[in-house]
Amino acid sequence: DIQMTQSPSSLSASVGDRVTITCRASQGISNSLAWYQQKPGKAPKLLLYAASRLESGVPSRFSGSGSGTDYTLTISSLQPEDFATYYCQQYYSTPVLFGQGTRLEIK
Amino acid sequence: EVQLVESGGGLVKPGGSLRLSCAASGFTFSSYSMNWVRQAPGKGLEWVSSISSSSSYIYYADSVKGRFTISRDNAKNSLYLQMNSLRAEDTAVYYCARDKSPQGVAAAGSHWGQGTLVTVSS
Repeated sequence: DIQMTQSPSSLSASVGDRVTITCRASQGISNSLAWYQQKPGKAPKLLLYAASRLESGVPSRFSGSGSGTDYTLTISSLQPEDFATYYCQQYYSTPVLFGQGTRLEIK
Repeated sequence: EVQLVESGGGLVKPGGSLRLSCAASGFTFSSYSMNWVRQAPGKGLEWVSSISSSSSYIYYADSVKGRFTISRDNAKNSLYLQMNSLRAEDTAVYYCARDKSPQGVAAAGSHWGQGTLVTVSS
C-alpha cells in the first residue's frame, strides 16, 4: 500500500499569510493526488486534482505542485473562509489513502 | 446540478447489519465510478470502497473487506453499501462521492453527499 504523510498536522496563520501544506507518498504516484478542504460538519470539497489542476469554482489563491513522491498545497493569501482542515489523497492505486489532515487555524 | 443524497444510517448493535443508499441526480450516473468514504467522529477521512460505472471493478479497504459489499443500480441512479458484522470501529459518517472523470475508478471525488451517520453500539 502507498502511505501518505501529510504535514504539518496543524497550523496557525493570519489573514493574508501565505501557507504551504505538504504531502509525501511512500512511492511515486505520478501526480495522482487530490487536495480537499473540509469545514466542521460539512462534506469535503475538492480543491485540486492531478496535483496541480484547479477544480472549477475554486479561487486561484489555491495552487498545487509537486511530482514523484512530494506534493504541496499553497494558499497564496489566506482569507477568513480558508480556515478549515485540508486533506491530500492519492488515487494512483488502491487502497486509496488520505493524508492525516492539516487543521488550519486563525492566529 | 449534481446531487448525492445518502440514507440508511442509524444505530445498530455490534454484529448487526445496515444498508446505506446514495441517490444520485443531475448527471449520467451510469457513466461514473462511485465511492464510499467514511469519517469517524473527530477523525480523518478513510476510503471504504469504490465501484466502476458498470460494476466491473470493485475495490475495498482491508478494514471492511469480507464484511461490506458495494453495489449500484444504474437504472435507479443509486449506489449502495451493505454493511454486515458491524463493529464499534465502523462508527462514522459515511459519504458517497462521485469520481471527477468518467474514465477510471477510485479517483478524486468531485461531488460528495452530505453524509449519513452510522453508530455501532450496544
